[in-house]
Amino acid sequence: KNQVEQSPQSLIILEGKNCTLQCNYTVSPFSNLRWYKQDTGRGPVSLTIMTFSENTKSNGRYTATLDADTKQSSLHITASQLSDSASYICVGGPRLYSGGGADGLTFGKGTHLIIQP
Amino acid sequence: GAVVSQHPSWVICKSGTSVKIECRSLDFQATTMFWYRQFPKQSLMLMATSNEGSKATYEQGVEKDKFLINHASLTLSTLTVTSAHPEDSSFYICSAWTSGINEQFFGPGTRLTVL
Repeated sequence: KNQVEQSPQSLIILEGKNCTLQCNYTVSPFSNLRWYKQDTGRGPVSLTIMTFSENTKSNGRYTATLDADTKQSSLHITASQLSDSASYICVGGPRLYSGGGADGLTFGKGTHLIIQP
Repeated sequence: GAVVSQHPSWVICKSGTSVKIECRSLDFQATTMFWYRQFPKQSLMLMATSNEGSKATYEQGVEKDKFLINHASLTLSTLTVTSAHPEDSSFYICSAWTSGINEQFFGPGTRLTVL
């Protein structure tokens, strides 16, 4: 059964500090690993998408890493801002391109991040 | 670009009534739309996949007669929760996919509360 486990469940840090969120996945077949940011009461917004051959990808202050051998990914947030307070969801996908039928994405439960002033 | 909207953003209804949720891709044509349900502090769970002009494909355990999905055009899909009950209260999120972009774009979600 495909699974995505995220840690920690929740995290509180001070504004301006860095943090790293972890993701372990068991997704087969595996093609891509995605990180989404979900504000409370809103839909997820894509931060990064990495194929199995990519090791790192950045999007502004967000940097994701992927180790396909150990099936681990991390999301590093630099110089946190109050607007970074949200849930961060790790998602494993069997196919980057899909059309028709279920996409087969496996979602983690997310890490709830709170940035305190 | 690639904006997906949902309407309404929240709805409160009485038990036994039906509720329709709309999902629209505003600036692109979505070949496929996905409907998810998310309970508090839980993952998004795929309910069904709808392709324009054809019947939706439902995930195991999702009642197709209870959750009616219509994908009448390349920019609109609707989810109707029929005879809603309190256990149907949840956050419903749609996403839209198009081959030209090859990515899923999520709507802002609809909060359904059934009294």
